[in-house]
Amino acid sequence: TQLLEQSPQFLSIQEGENLTVYCNSSSVFSSLQWYRQEPGEGPVLLVTVVTGGEVKKLKRLTFQFGDARKDSSLHITAAQPGDTGLYLCAGGTYKYIFGTGTRLKVLA
Amino acid sequence: GAGVSQTPSNKVTEKGKYVELRCDPISGHTALYWYRQSLGQGPEFLIYFQGTGAADDSGLPNDRFFAVRPEGSVSTLKIQRTERGDSAVYLCASSARGTVLGNEQFFGPGTRLTVL
Repeated sequence: TQLLEQSPQFLSIQEGENLTVYCNSSSVFSSLQWYRQEPGEGPVLLVTVVTGGEVKKLKRLTFQFGDARKDSSLHITAAQPGDTGLYLCAGGTYKYIFGTGTRLKVLA
Repeated sequence: GAGVSQTPSNKVTEKGKYVELRCDPISGHTALYWYRQSLGQGPEFLIYFQGTGAADDSGLPNDRFFAVRPEGSVSTLKIQRTERGDSAVYLCASSARGTVLGNEQFFGPGTRLTVL
């Protein structure tokens, strides 16, 4: 059974700080997606990583896929209150397996 | 609209009742998915449609749950004899194709189901 574990589970930081969220598995995934979810809304897709070692940047967010395609990380530079939300990684071809989630709160 | 829409946004029902949850996917998307998200957890897969047929319903928890997509667009998730443990947010997603590598799923806002 494929599982995705995220760490940390909760993170509360001050505006302007940097942070990294991790998504780990013992299984190989063909691709991984990162989503952000706000209360009362569905997950919003941020990025898809497909190739081992791939790095993608989305403004202040940097996503990396591990060389062995078993893990991924999300790094946020100079966090802002608007980054607050639940960050989820997901993997799978069509039947997505979601990670346990990282709940981020950025304080002004 | 351009995105996935779900109705109702909230549904409160009594234990034992029947409920239907509706999903309108992004126009042109052939693949449709239902997930269930419990409080504090990530979404869990329920069922996947490719066109009109259920290609994978392995995530449905039991035979009280059923979903249809008769014309390959709108889908309805049906829950019979609801139980308090069915309370969750039910999310619908769609994608342009089903099994192609890196094919992203786009989610609707969800229906929050509360069974009293």
